[in-house]
Amino acid sequence: DIVMTQSPDSLAVSLGERATINCKSSQSVLYSSNNKNYLTWYQQKPGQPPKLLIYWASTRESGVPDRFSGSGSGTNFTLTIDSLQAEDVAVYYCQQYYTTPPYTFGQGTKLEIK
Amino acid sequence: EVQLVESGGGLVQSGGSLRLSCAASGFTFSSYWMTWVRQAPGKGLEWVATIKQDGSEKYYLDSVKGRFTISRDNAKNSLYLQMNSLRAEDTALYYCARDGQRLGISDYWGQGTLVTVSS
Repeated sequence: DIVMTQSPDSLAVSLGERATINCKSSQSVLYSSNNKNYLTWYQQKPGQPPKLLIYWASTRESGVPDRFSGSGSGTNFTLTIDSLQAEDVAVYYCQQYYTTPPYTFGQGTKLEIK
Repeated sequence: EVQLVESGGGLVQSGGSLRLSCAASGFTFSSYWMTWVRQAPGKGLEWVATIKQDGSEKYYLDSVKGRFTISRDNAKNSLYLQMNSLRAEDTALYYCARDGQRLGISDYWGQGTLVTVSS
């Protein structure tokens, strides 16, 4: 199974600043035939289900603010939140969906306001 | 509006069984892969099982294989998870999710149903 490792485990950023969360997969999730990275990012606020933010590593889900962006390829990926807002406080998860399941999640990164 | 509503959770003794249900509405249920994801108290997300639109393909987390069965009834717009031989480590909030763009991209989630297994 592909192991997903996020860093850091927790992060405190000042309002208006940039937050960066990293995700590393134990093997490449880049499918060479279509040049797509099979990676999603989810946001989970306290007491709520996860919300899809990014898929194909960099495609923003409809309705997600453009301060959220995803980048990376192969085994190394980044979720960047520009101009952090108070409502961005949450736990963020990456997940790979390469080939067939199991589709493993990272352990999560808790984002707080400094 | 897409809605997913889970039910069937509760307190059960170790070795017992539960059947979770997920009622779907607001979309053509039979057109989508569907997934169960769980979250132990205070822990991260764990993918559990996924089923194809017509039920012909099913995938399971290794630790639940042989104990859990995912199924669906497209006529009733419902997804199920039959959980047998439950263990304390199965204690979690179980979410039902729709895989939208493709298998593995879960774009809508329910609020979850809590399963507690007492030892």
